[in-house]
Amino acid sequence: DGGITQSPKYLFRKEGQNVTLSCEQNLNHDAMYWYRQDPGQGLRLIYYSQIVNDFQKGDIAEGYSVSREKKESFPLTVTSAQKNPTAFYLCASSFSGQGRSGYTFGSGTRLTVV
Amino acid sequence: QKEVEQNSGPLSVPEGAIASLNCTYSDRGSQSFFWYRQYSGKSPELIMFIYSNGDKEDGRFTAQLNKASQYVSLLIRDSQPSDSATYLCAVYGGTSYGKLTFGQGTILTVHP
Repeated sequence: DGGITQSPKYLFRKEGQNVTLSCEQNLNHDAMYWYRQDPGQGLRLIYYSQIVNDFQKGDIAEGYSVSREKKESFPLTVTSAQKNPTAFYLCASSFSGQGRSGYTFGSGTRLTVV
Repeated sequence: QKEVEQNSGPLSVPEGAIASLNCTYSDRGSQSFFWYRQYSGKSPELIMFIYSNGDKEDGRFTAQLNKASQYVSLLIRDSQPSDSATYLCAVYGGTSYGKLTFGQGTILTVHP
């Protein structure tokens, strides 16, 4: 079955540590996105990529980094510069220029700072 | 002004009633409008999308779009307890080309 796989489901980060969240899709989608959701809040865009080897900052990119070396993969690194990383992270994908049809979301990664 | 704003819940309706969820957006160039349902601890799932002014019906769900008023709504008829969730409005196009912009969500509770 086609879909988006995010891993891990739960992640714990120590202060000053970088962590990487995985996102893989087999939908042949061109575009991929990372959103952050805080309790009781909507989704805020961190980074997005329309094609391989290219990505753009979203509204809250500070403290995060991404790469897009393969069409299927769009990992997100939460760096130590992100001072408040505890949140629910969602990866999504769509056909490029086909935002008209909405996104497919992964199941999410819940990150907690310990 | 927020780009996408939803009515501030939570919204509570009795089982069998009509639930009405509202969303306004600021970018007049917006082209596509989406409603996602998100159960607690889960990822959003797309339930409706609409591009043209007017109504679009799918089962118990009706999306309504008024571009002149920059307003989109979702009606849920014969509400069921299983409809209890957070509903997210999302907008595509205009200055947000290439990505969806989400509202803050409205929590809906349907009580038996």
